[in-house]
Amino acid sequence: GENVEQHPSTLSVQEGDSAVIKCTYSDSASNYFPWYKQELGKRPQLIIDIRSNVGEKKDQRIAVTLNKTAKHFSLHITETQPEDSAVYFCAASKRRALIFQGAQKLVFGQGTRLTINP
Amino acid sequence: DGGITQSPKYLFRKEGQNVTLSCEQNLNHDAMYWYRQDPGQGLRLIYYSQIVNDFQKGDIAEGYSVSREKKESFPLTVTSAQKNPTAFYLCASSIREGSNQPQHFGDGTRLSIL
Repeated sequence: GENVEQHPSTLSVQEGDSAVIKCTYSDSASNYFPWYKQELGKRPQLIIDIRSNVGEKKDQRIAVTLNKTAKHFSLHITETQPEDSAVYFCAASKRRALIFQGAQKLVFGQGTRLTINP
Repeated sequence: DGGITQSPKYLFRKEGQNVTLSCEQNLNHDAMYWYRQDPGQGLRLIYYSQIVNDFQKGDIAEGYSVSREKKESFPLTVTSAQKNPTAFYLCASSIREGSNQPQHFGDGTRLSIL
C-alpha cells in the first residue's frame, strides 16, 4: 500500500523567512496530494491541495510543487508569520478505479512541527 | 452553518468498558472517515464509509466498530478489546463522487483511560 514520508519532523524559522516541508510517496498511482495545518488541540484544516495533472499551485504565501517522476511534493510558505506556527501534514491518495468506489483513503505523513520565531 | 460535529470533546473509559464517539455532519457528504492520532504522529485510518449501510476497515480497525445507519451520522465504538485506546480521535467527511475531493474534519474527541 501507499507510504508517505515527511521531513523534517520539526522546523524552526525566523519570522519573514521561508519554510519548506517535503513529502515522498511510494504509490505511483497516487494522484491527489492535500496539505493540512493543525493547531494545538484543534482540527486539521486543509490549506492547499494539488492533483497530479499540475506541477505547481499557489495561494498567496503558500505554494505546493509536485514531481511525479521522483514521487515527491513540497509545501512552501513564504514571508512566514507567527500564526503560521502549527503542525503541518501532507497526505496522498488515488482515485478509485470504478466511479462508484468514491471514498478515498488518504495516507498521511508523520507531520512537521513548524515554529516561527519572532 | 455546515460542518462536522464530534462529541463529546473529552471522554474517559474504564477498564472493560465500551464507549461510543459521536460524529454528525450536515454537509450532505456521502463518505465519512474515522482517524486516530497519537502524540507526535500522523493520522491513521480506523474505518471509512462510502455510503449509508456500508463501511470498510482501515489500517487499524482492531478493537473498534462503526455503523452507518444514516447519511449524517457515523458513530465509532471503542471496545474493551482495544487495549491502548488513549488518543485523539478525528472524524472526517468528503463528497463521494468525482475526482479526489478534500476531507473536512471535526474538532475531535480526546479519549483517556481512567
